[in-house]
Amino acid sequence: DGGITQSPKYLFRKEGQNVTLSCEQNLNHDAMYWYRQDPGQGLRLIYYSQIVNDFQKGDIAEGYSVSREKKESFPLTVTSAQKNPTAFYLCASSRGPGAEQYFGPGTRLTVT
Amino acid sequence: GENVEQHPSTLSVQEGDSAVIKCTYSDSASNYFPWYKQELGKRPQLIIDIRSNVGEKKDQRIAVTLNKTAKHFSLHITETQPEDSAVYFCAAPQRSNDYKLSFGAGTTVTVRA
Repeated sequence: DGGITQSPKYLFRKEGQNVTLSCEQNLNHDAMYWYRQDPGQGLRLIYYSQIVNDFQKGDIAEGYSVSREKKESFPLTVTSAQKNPTAFYLCASSRGPGAEQYFGPGTRLTVT
Repeated sequence: GENVEQHPSTLSVQEGDSAVIKCTYSDSASNYFPWYKQELGKRPQLIIDIRSNVGEKKDQRIAVTLNKTAKHFSLHITETQPEDSAVYFCAAPQRSNDYKLSFGAGTTVTVRA
């Protein structure tokens, strides 16, 4: 399934709590991405990382944070500042710009 | 950022017929246009992409056409089969940054047996 994994599959949190979503890849890809998928809206880019120890904001970075300390890992933290955190979160990786992005299976986060 | 509009939002076709999905983009410098397919409950997967130096690309029953002048590109699926039922997303890079893709809102294709 493309060598990119996300955990957990489902996550439930109370409002006001930070939560970290895991993303790991063994494809030796330099670039990694986090998207948010809401019904009827397609995929929206939260953060991306071109290379280890570097990351850039996407279109909807407010209320989220990331780190890229290892090439294989790109965890996403959903902070309490994110106003509507309930969504399906997809992680992806690619060899570089303009290359196929391989997606993980996703994490469905529910915040109540 | 790049604005990608995708139409239609839903498409129902008889098995064996063709399906066409169209996307328009705003950044004339965009040069890479991928299409992803997402089956129910599964992750998106790239099915075909096209770069700006060609006008058409085919892969078996799937083809993509690109009109750079009009800034639109289309996905064509011929001889549709039940396994083609899925949500299809087009995408285009933002401001020539191929790391930052803007995705269309998706087209839900249903193939009727």
